[in-house]
Amino acid sequence: NAGVTQTPKFQVLKTGQSMTLQCAQDMNHNSMYWYRQDPGMGLRLIYYSASEGTTDKGEVPNGYNVSRLNKREFSLRLESAAPSQTSVYFCASRAYGTENNQPQHFGDGTRLSIL
Amino acid sequence: QKEVEQDPGPLSVPEGAIVSLNCTYSNSAFQYFMWYRQYSRKGPELLMYTYSSGNKEDGRFTAQVDKSSKYISLFIRDSQPSDSATYLCAMSEGDMRFGAGTRLTVKP
Repeated sequence: NAGVTQTPKFQVLKTGQSMTLQCAQDMNHNSMYWYRQDPGMGLRLIYYSASEGTTDKGEVPNGYNVSRLNKREFSLRLESAAPSQTSVYFCASRAYGTENNQPQHFGDGTRLSIL
Repeated sequence: QKEVEQDPGPLSVPEGAIVSLNCTYSNSAFQYFMWYRQYSRKGPELLMYTYSSGNKEDGRFTAQVDKSSKYISLFIRDSQPSDSATYLCAMSEGDMRFGAGTRLTVKP
């Protein structure tokens, strides 16, 4: 009953370091998403993958890259971390419905601090 | 103006109270409406999922959608301390949009 699993749960980086956040889902969902959550700003979409083999930019993609490794896994990479990227990062997945409006299911997040 | 507006609270109520949480939105194309509950240091958990206007009830929770007013509500009856969390509204016409969340505390 794992659902969406994110690793690591916590990480502290120095400015300029790189890091990859991992996400895996076991619900056979087609679509996967990466969000960041900041106080007062809610969830903001960074990148998404509508299906295996495709990725697209969301609302706040600058400074990030993604890889849809296979149907289960979707990773988020920070190439050169900046203090403005301090946030809580959530991965989500969604099944493909006839009108593509199935709800998203979330992992428990990665808390990232950049000094 | 944000596409989805939600009062951040915080909202504090005594145990047993009826809680009303609300969101307004500007995009009339939204057809699917959701409420998520997020406990501290956890991810959002889907609570209610409704299509178009009307009411949906699940135990102590009732979701209402009024598309003519672009207004959605979540009611919690007989609130419990375990309901203390942040509640996020979300809506979709393909792409999902989230409210910023309302922090609720239910005091014993």
